[in-house]
Amino acid sequence: GENVEQHPSTLSVQEGDSAVIKCTYSDSASNYFPWYKQELGKRPQLIIDIRSNVGEKKDQRIAVTLNKTAKHFSLHITETQPEDSAVYFCAASKGQAGTALIFGKGTTLSVSS
Amino acid sequence: KAGVTQTPRYLIKTRGQQVTLSCSPISGHRSVSWYQQTPGQGLQFLFEYFSETQRNKGNFPGRFSGRQFSNSRSEMNVSTLELGDSALYLCASTPSGVTDTQYFGPGTRLTVL
Repeated sequence: GENVEQHPSTLSVQEGDSAVIKCTYSDSASNYFPWYKQELGKRPQLIIDIRSNVGEKKDQRIAVTLNKTAKHFSLHITETQPEDSAVYFCAASKGQAGTALIFGKGTTLSVSS
Repeated sequence: KAGVTQTPRYLIKTRGQQVTLSCSPISGHRSVSWYQQTPGQGLQFLFEYFSETQRNKGNFPGRFSGRQFSNSRSEMNVSTLELGDSALYLCASTPSGVTDTQYFGPGTRLTVL
């Protein structure tokens, strides 16, 4: 079955710096790759997603890139702010009936001011 | 529109007991998925229901089961609880089951003593 590896497990940056989180997946049939942000004690919230027919997607300070050949995708956060501190999860799905998301283990991002 | 709701929010049970958790999806959403979140294993897919049918199942023992009602509300049941079942149980809903953006509920925190 699908396996998603996520790195790093923790990431500390200074406010204003950029942060990059990387994920690799094993199943070449996966075609949908969302990123979720989970603040302490709260539910995961979708922050951005990308589908396999697109190589890059951007939403303000957040961008995701996808390399289908290498089976990896990355989250880029620019101009980080303290409120970006949270756990970030990548996930992969085949996008077919069943909609099972296979998640990475998460990255704890700490942004210090 | 109201978001995904889950009840109860917190539960304390003892080993050997059984428990039932409830999830009400966003109005109009027909697919409900369940996930177990633990510090060690992260977010793991349990099962997905669409139109009252289980369409996909993760790698969990048969003690974990679920169902979906005609109004799309879903319940999951865990029988013969073990200490390792202590976790945050999250449900997520999607509009039609073939789209992939999943909206999570706040979760039920289950503690097994």
